[in-house]
Amino acid sequence: NAGVMQNPRHLVRRRGQEARLRCSPMKGHSHVYWYRQLPEEGLKFMVYLQKENIIDESGMPKERFSAEFPKEGPSILRIQQVVRGDSAAYFCASSPVDRMATEAFFGQGTRLTVV
Amino acid sequence: SQQGEEDPQALSIQEGENATMNCSYKTSINNLQWYRQNSGRGLVHLILIRSNEREKHSGRLRVTLDTSKKSSSLLITASRAADTASYFCATDGGAGNMLTFGGGTRLMVKP
Repeated sequence: NAGVMQNPRHLVRRRGQEARLRCSPMKGHSHVYWYRQLPEEGLKFMVYLQKENIIDESGMPKERFSAEFPKEGPSILRIQQVVRGDSAAYFCASSPVDRMATEAFFGQGTRLTVV
Repeated sequence: SQQGEEDPQALSIQEGENATMNCSYKTSINNLQWYRQNSGRGLVHLILIRSNEREKHSGRLRVTLDTSKKSSSLLITASRAADTASYFCATDGGAGNMLTFGGGTRLMVKP
């Protein structure tokens, strides 16, 4: 059973381009959480999704950011018109039930660099 | 605002010494976890302590939890150069019991 898979591991985008980050949860997991980590800081919650539903997006910036978790396929975090401040590591975690605190596993992250 | 705040932000010790990191949080929790992150890598789960537990051990790790003070400590005994990493505490409590992370302690163990 593979762990949480994120790709790409590293992504470089020019200002104004779009960034698409993918997260494939562990087999059997239907809950996905996205976190962002700025350099030298802790992880900040962005969004919590179940299959085809956004449960909590209180940590998502109001503009340019969106997330989805379709019935089939990975969860996608999409950042439109990237700016330098979007440079960060983006981590996703998945869990089988609605209990991230005790059941979640993290991926290795995608490091986004905006040049 | 962050739920957990680690103290100190950075710690440098010699190999063989003990390293103690502290975490304070603000609201009631069900459990508290500690994670390690090597530079540029993902998170590694170290240990989980439940709100009704006061102390927990795992190898060279010792975690304490004081819910009256809303604080936890992580002790790494007989540190090694390989322990060099950032250490984060994380608490639950949000919708879906989501984890809220502190800012981390950056530990450097000199050989």
